[in-house]
Amino acid sequence: GQSLEQPSEVTAVEGAIVQINCTYQTSGFYGLSWYQQHDGGAPTFLSYNALDGLEETGRFSSFLSRSDSYGYLLLQELQMKDSASYFCAALFSGGYNKLIFGAGTRLAVHP
Amino acid sequence: SAVISQKPSRDICQRGTSLTIQCQVDSQVTMMFWYRQQPGQSLTLIATANQGSEATYESGFVIDKFPISRPNLTFSTLTVSNMSPEDSSIYLCSVVSSTDTQYFGPGTRLTVL
Repeated sequence: GQSLEQPSEVTAVEGAIVQINCTYQTSGFYGLSWYQQHDGGAPTFLSYNALDGLEETGRFSSFLSRSDSYGYLLLQELQMKDSASYFCAALFSGGYNKLIFGAGTRLAVHP
Repeated sequence: SAVISQKPSRDICQRGTSLTIQCQVDSQVTMMFWYRQQPGQSLTLIATANQGSEATYESGFVIDKFPISRPNLTFSTLTVSNMSPEDSSIYLCSVVSSTDTQYFGPGTRLTVL
């Protein structure tokens, strides 16, 4: 099957570092994406890992290990505006590529 | 990245009626996707819309309830038919770029009374 698991909630303080983990079922797995969604907004693309290793984009980094069916999103120097829901989403290939989303992790950043 | 617009941005509809949501992209794309996000939930893929062929629906979604059109490479519509309060959701279209990155439109917030 095709499913993803991530923690439902994470809390942190401004300036801290947070890691949001994501594990997935492997059938047809192609790559792992991360999205940010603020309340009332649309999902915004953050990163995509097709290969093992770390991808860094400013304060955000994403990691993928295909052998462990595991990835994470690392948020550094947290700011209040980072309070949002974060979704991992796996790209599965099966004639056409489709993106399957995890349940989402709600991040609350406190002063 | 692609620029995606959706119409309407929100609507309030009566039970039993239908609503057609439009999705416009600023560049030609092969595949467009329609998702539903129920309140407080994650995104669920409804169907994949390819130009020139019938849409491919995910388990639990059927063409009679969610007919989709894809007349060209920059436009698609999703109709929510015979609506009930359970259809109250945000409906989002998305497209895939050449680098396998998927971008989302702003969404249509639907409330069914």
